[in-house]
Amino acid sequence: EAAVTQSPRNKVAVTGGKVTLSCNQTNNHNNMYWYRQDTGHGLRLIHYSYGAGSTEKGDIPDGYKASRPSQENFSLILELATPSQTSVYFCASGGTISNERLFFGHGTKLSVL
Amino acid sequence: GDSVTQTEGLVTLTEGLPVMLNCTYQSTYSPFLFWYVQHLNEAPKLLLKSFTDNKRPEHQGFHATLHKSSSSFHLQKSSAQLSDSALYYCALSHTEGADRLTFGKGTQLIIQP
Repeated sequence: EAAVTQSPRNKVAVTGGKVTLSCNQTNNHNNMYWYRQDTGHGLRLIHYSYGAGSTEKGDIPDGYKASRPSQENFSLILELATPSQTSVYFCASGGTISNERLFFGHGTKLSVL
Repeated sequence: GDSVTQTEGLVTLTEGLPVMLNCTYQSTYSPFLFWYVQHLNEAPKLLLKSFTDNKRPEHQGFHATLHKSSSSFHLQKSSAQLSDSALYYCALSHTEGADRLTFGKGTQLIIQP
């Protein structure tokens, strides 16, 4: 089973602060994704990447940046965190026909106060 | 753009009764459909996906049939088990490998003894 590891698992941030969520996968997947999960909205795509050095905007990218410095690592950056960004964030890898699915991490619960 | 509709936010059933969770979709393309399941405090994981040759996918007693005429991919199981209690997401992608999944809002399924 593919392994995707997110850190931290829980984070409390202050409004206006910078937050970085990290994701690591050791499965050599080219594609990686960041989703946020909110009750009543389901999972929504924030940013994604098709390989090291590339990032693309998903459906709700405003207020977020992404960084893919290597095949294994994909970060989500909130430069100026706001309370509306309080959510559970999931990283995933896979998404190609050879993988046939997305493999999700266990999520990061972020609270912005 | 693409969208996925899950009409039930919460479904409560008694163990042993049949399960049916609704999923309809809109897409400008002919998409691939997926069901993901998320148990409490766990990561979402693939339950089943539609096939290109119109075979009916089955997994863990669940099955779903893609009806292109009605744009539906309802999830069914003949007899619910307590362990089926979870959050279920219907999702679509333009690729068989699940790139850039668009998720519905999710249906919380609770199975009671």
